[in-house]
Amino acid sequence: DTGVSQDPRHKITKRGQNVTFRCDPISEHNRLYWYRQTLGQGPEFLTYFQNEAQLEKSRLLSDRFSAERPKGSFSTLEIQRTEQGDSAMYLCASSLMMGDSPLHFGNGTRLTVT
Amino acid sequence: QQPVQSPQAVILREGEDAVINCSSSKALYSVHWYRQKHGEAPVFLMILLKGGEQKGHEKISASFNEKKQQSSLYLTASQLSYSGTYFCGTSSNNNAGNMLTFGGGTRLMVKP
Repeated sequence: DTGVSQDPRHKITKRGQNVTFRCDPISEHNRLYWYRQTLGQGPEFLTYFQNEAQLEKSRLLSDRFSAERPKGSFSTLEIQRTEQGDSAMYLCASSLMMGDSPLHFGNGTRLTVT
Repeated sequence: QQPVQSPQAVILREGEDAVINCSSSKALYSVHWYRQKHGEAPVFLMILLKGGEQKGHEKISASFNEKKQQSSLYLTASQLSYSGTYFCGTSSNNNAGNMLTFGGGTRLMVKP
C-alpha cells in the first residue's frame, strides 16, 4: 500500500490558462474521488468514479472542470480557463467499493491562480 | 446540505477531554471522522453506520444517534498529537458511493 499520490504538489498559473492534475489511487481501490478544499473549510465533493465510470458530479461544478479515469487506474482533473476563484487545494481520495470503506486521501495539489 | 460541527475550535491542556459534535438536517446512513494536520491530507479515524453504534479507537471514540442525526467524537486524556482539524463527513444512503459531505471542521489545539 503506497498510498494515494498526486502530482504536482503545487501549481501556480495565470488566469485563463488550463491546468491538469493527476491522481494515482491505491491500486486495489475501485473508487476514486476528487474534492476541493479552501482555507479553513472542509473538503467539498467534486466528482467520483467507480472503475472507469464517472458516476457522480457535483451540481456546483463548472463546465470548465472535467475529470477522466481511463482504464480505471489513475485519474486526471482538468480545469480550463482558470479563474482566481479556482485557487484551492484539490484532494484526491480512493476507497474500496464497500459502503463502509474509508476514504484514503492524497496530499493534494495546491492551485494558485494569479 | 453541509453537516454542522461544534465547537468550531477548542484549546485543551494535555490530558483533558473534548467532545466534537456533528449534526445533519438529513437522515444519515453513515458518518466518517477524519483528522487533518496543517499541510497534510485528512486521515481516517473511524466510520459509524446507521444503527446507533459506538466505536472506539485507542482514546478516541465516537457515537452515532440515528434519531437525532448526530454524531459525537470523544477525545479522552488528550495528547499533543491530537492537535489538528477534525472533520465529519456524512452520507445519506448506502448507494451514495461514499460521496461524503464534510462539515466545516473543528480546530483542536492541545497544549503541554
